[in-house]
Amino acid sequence: AQSVAQPEDQVNVAEGNPLTVKCTYSVSGNPYLFWYVQYPNRGLQFLLKYITGDNLVKGSYGFEAEFNKSQTSFHLKKPSALVSDSALYFCAVREAGFQKLVFGTGTRLLVSP
Amino acid sequence: EPEVTQTPSHQVTQMGQEVILRCVPISNHLYFYWYRQILGQKVEFLVSFYNNEISEKSEIFDDQFSVERPDGSNFTLKIRSTKLEDSAMYFCASTPGGAYQPQHFGDGTRLSIL
Repeated sequence: AQSVAQPEDQVNVAEGNPLTVKCTYSVSGNPYLFWYVQYPNRGLQFLLKYITGDNLVKGSYGFEAEFNKSQTSFHLKKPSALVSDSALYFCAVREAGFQKLVFGTGTRLLVSP
Repeated sequence: EPEVTQTPSHQVTQMGQEVILRCVPISNHLYFYWYRQILGQKVEFLVSFYNNEISEKSEIFDDQFSVERPDGSNFTLKIRSTKLEDSAMYFCASTPGGAYQPQHFGDGTRLSIL
């Protein structure tokens, strides 16, 4: 069965500093990996995905993520955090042959001025 | 940019009543989904729908739940006899097709069962 772990409930970072939000996954077959962001009272907004190819993928708003097959990780990163990046971030995996997305529990990112 | 729209934003219903949650997926999308998020918990998959039939469903999606695409634009989730534990945020999503395409989510309907 597919599963996703986000080990940190909250990540605190100062504006202008780099940020990392961690995600590890477990699937039987090939993973399709996604990051979503959720602002208060809004739905999940797609940030980026890894399907195949380069291990470093770039997405919206300056975010990027690094796929590491040996560590089964897909950490979200940004070189310089903004206060407006403060939100709830979800990692998700979709296994080839399945329709459903399996989500992690979410990580709250708090960027202080 | 096209969006998935959901109505109502908040639905309050008495336990045992039927409720219908409505969604308008993005117009050229072919796959439709419902997820739910109980307060403080993770987002959980309920069902996927393609070509006018259910393509995948979770253990949560029991006989109390049904989905329908009554016309060319709407996609609905019906809960036949609501329970207290059905209180959650329900998200609709859609995608053009293909496992590599991201699912696009609506803003959700908060369902409160009294």
